[in-house]
Amino acid sequence: GENVEQHPSTLSVQEGDSAVIKCTYSDSASNYFPWYKQELGKRPQLIIDIRSNVGEKKDQRIAVTLNKTAKHFSLHITETQPEDSAVYFCAASRAGGTSYGKLTFGQGTILTVHP
Amino acid sequence: EAQVTQNPRYLITVTGKKLTVTCSQNMNHEYMSWYRQDPGLGLRQIYYSMNVEVTDKGDVPEGYKVSRKEKRNFPLILESPSPNQTSLYFCASSWRDGNSPLHFGNGTRLTVT
Repeated sequence: GENVEQHPSTLSVQEGDSAVIKCTYSDSASNYFPWYKQELGKRPQLIIDIRSNVGEKKDQRIAVTLNKTAKHFSLHITETQPEDSAVYFCAASRAGGTSYGKLTFGQGTILTVHP
Repeated sequence: EAQVTQNPRYLITVTGKKLTVTCSQNMNHEYMSWYRQDPGLGLRQIYYSMNVEVTDKGDVPEGYKVSRKEKRNFPLILESPSPNQTSLYFCASSWRDGNSPLHFGNGTRLTVT
């Protein structure tokens, strides 16, 4: 089955710096890669996603890049703000075949942005 | 308001006492799933359902049961809870399948003593 590894497990940055979180996946048939943000005591919420037919996607200060050959994808947050402090999860899933419908998450990254 | 509703939010029980955590969505979503969240392990999928009467095992299904008799409801059943099932549980739904954005419920904090 799919295995998703996420690094680093914790990340501490100064306000205004950039933050990068990386995930690798094992199933070459995976084609959907979402990122979720979970604030303390809250539910996870989608912040950005990317599909395998796209190499990069941006939404204001957030971007995701995908390297299908190397089977890894990354979340980039620029000009970080204290409200970006949260746990971030990556995930991977496939559109068909065996395990269709399964969504595998990474272990999570605790991001702390210091004012 | 479009939402996924889980109940209860907190539950303390004893080993072996059957319990059910309810999940309901009002968005007419096809796909529903359950996850448990444990420190350092991220979110792990327990079961998922692509449609009514269709359920499949996720990565950690042992000790859990689910049913999907109606489109809007997807209860999680622990027939004989054990302490290793102490965790934070999330229900989620999406309009089509695991390849579309998930809407999560607010979570259920379960403690089994």
